[in-house]
Amino acid sequence: DIVMTQSPDSLAVSLGERATINCKSSQSLLYSSNNKYYLTWYQQKPGQPPKLLIYWASTRESGVPDRFSGSGSGTDFTLTISSLQAEDVAVYFCLQSYSTPLTFGGGTKVEIK
Amino acid sequence: EVQLVESGGGLVQPGGSLKLSCAASGFTFSDSAIHWVRQASGKGLEWVGRIRSKAKSYATAYAASVKDRFILSRDDSKNTAYLEMNSLKTEDTAVYYCTRLDDVMLTSIDYWGQGTLVTVSS
Repeated sequence: DIVMTQSPDSLAVSLGERATINCKSSQSLLYSSNNKYYLTWYQQKPGQPPKLLIYWASTRESGVPDRFSGSGSGTDFTLTISSLQAEDVAVYFCLQSYSTPLTFGGGTKVEIK
Repeated sequence: EVQLVESGGGLVQPGGSLKLSCAASGFTFSDSAIHWVRQASGKGLEWVGRIRSKAKSYATAYAASVKDRFILSRDDSKNTAYLEMNSLKTEDTAVYYCTRLDDVMLTSIDYWGQGTLVTVSS
């Protein structure tokens, strides 16, 4: 099974500042047939299901603000919120869908400092 | 508008059974894989299993923690997927989400239902 190690567990950032969340996979998530990394980022607010932010490591889902960006390659991936807004307070998860069983990172709680 | 609506959750005793349904609308159900994901209260997300589209032979896969106890199925004529849960354990207590993954574009899990709570307790 692919292990997803997400860090940090929690993060407090001032409004307007940058937040950075990392996810490391135990093996490459690159699907050679289409040259895509099967790494996804989600945002979850209390009492709600997760919301898709970024797929294929760096493709922003339609409607997601451009302050959210994804990057990375190989086994190391990053979600960046360039200018934290109050509505971004949430838990963020990464997911690998390269192979079954799909596996999630443990989550990062983002709060306002 | 895309909708995934789970139903069938509730309280069940250890060793019991429960069958969840997921009614889908707003997208081409037959081209989609349906994945189930669960979340225990205050915990992270755990993938439970998936059933692929007819084009992918309705292939199923399960997490080790539920293999041989849970069964996935679907009825494309009803745009509905099912999760049959047997030999339930207290550790199966969680909110169960029905989700979909486009089995043609192979992007990622994009749509999620609101979830249904399963409580396994005596």
